[in-house]
Amino acid sequence: QVQLVQSGAEVKKPGASVKVSCKASGYTFTSYGISWVRQAPGQGLEWMGWISAYNGNTNYAQKLQGRVTMTTDTSTSTAYMELRSLRSDDTAVYYCARDRGRGNPAYFDYWGQGTLVTVSS
Amino acid sequence: DIQMTQSPSSLSASVGDRVTITCQASQDISNYLNWYQQKPGKAPKLLIYDASNLETGVPSRFSGSGSGTDFTFTISSLQPEDIATYYCQQYDNLPLFGGGTKVEIK
Repeated sequence: QVQLVQSGAEVKKPGASVKVSCKASGYTFTSYGISWVRQAPGQGLEWMGWISAYNGNTNYAQKLQGRVTMTTDTSTSTAYMELRSLRSDDTAVYYCARDRGRGNPAYFDYWGQGTLVTVSS
Repeated sequence: DIQMTQSPSSLSASVGDRVTITCQASQDISNYLNWYQQKPGKAPKLLIYDASNLETGVPSRFSGSGSGTDFTFTISSLQPEDIATYYCQQYDNLPLFGGGTKVEIK
């Protein structure tokens, strides 16, 4: 069965960086993309970006351009999301999700369990 | 930039009621519209993709319709396990979620 298992919770200071991993299993990793979605406490869903596991192409949300980098390691079927220059409003649960889009982000059919990132001094 | 307006932001209905949520895009997005259900403390779950296609394994009481700028999500007979927040999401341009609709039991 398809599973996405994310790394554990993180506590970071403002200005630091965080890297969240998402290990996929149960499907051919390179046949789908991975999107990252975050949710601040009590708030709605925010799409952060997408990476093709086939060729590494990326699309990032404009507001995160320059601060976020998404990568994949096809040898371990793992996707990574790194966010730099963390601020308090980056405190959120971060989700990875399998993306069914063909060459561009589309919709998300399997999700990781979420990783809480807390930014606090 | 495309804006997504989802309404209502919350609703209360009785078990068995028909529940309708709307999502309006600020420009034509064809049928590039999806619906998700999120229960507290859980990851979202895909229910409907491409406006009207029911995801495998999702109960048939859930349905979606619309194209262009106006979309509707319907629960034909509300069940206690449907208590959740529902989100629309467009992908005509880069993905964008609506603000969400919290559904409660009256």
